[in-house]
Amino acid sequence: NAGVMQNPRHLVRRRGQEARLRCSPMKGHSHVYWYRQLPEEGLKFMVYLQKENIIDESGMPKERFSAEFPKEGPSILRIQQVVRGDSAAYFCASSPQREINEQYFGPGTRLTVT
Amino acid sequence: GENVEQHPSTLSVQEGDSAVIKCTYSDSASNYFPWYKQELGKRPQLIIDIRSNVGEKKDQRIAVTLNKTAKHFSLHITETQPEDSAVYFCAATSNTGKLIFGQGTTLQVKP
Repeated sequence: NAGVMQNPRHLVRRRGQEARLRCSPMKGHSHVYWYRQLPEEGLKFMVYLQKENIIDESGMPKERFSAEFPKEGPSILRIQQVVRGDSAAYFCASSPQREINEQYFGPGTRLTVT
Repeated sequence: GENVEQHPSTLSVQEGDSAVIKCTYSDSASNYFPWYKQELGKRPQLIIDIRSNVGEKKDQRIAVTLNKTAKHFSLHITETQPEDSAVYFCAATSNTGKLIFGQGTTLQVKP
């Protein structure tokens, strides 16, 4: 759905740099999910957040990755010391309430690590 | 653990024919099953979904069926058109609300 915004759309980082990906959910949505899609593969869950809370981070790598969804502003997925294996499309999705579960995806950020 | 299997991985049909994609899931607590269509370089787009209290749902040329006992659900596209060509993903919810996706089916509709 066009209402979920992500930026940047494309991001190029050198190995060892940091990547910051932003996601603004649809208006009225308070639940944000991050998914990663490697080239030619499916979508893998990373983390589920509500405002100021991490609900489920079972898909997040233990090191270098972190996510937040502050009271004000977008949700941010942060990758420190990027490696080539981090190159992927990162999608966020938002939903209005967990019971509904209807998740609408943003356009994604395509991260390339050189 | 939570898992969704999707078949086939590729499907080629002639325009006007029907296409069927099947998924099975492992988590008996799953109660919501969406289908997404993803065109090359684009975002996944929700095309239809079904909840566990319903056995079948239809929206124009697209229908989804759910068999909770067998833990499988299917997407049916009738009268396929070239613009239906895309990658289709099934998914099932976990108890925390996250979606577990199948591996995807690349559908090619030949004119």
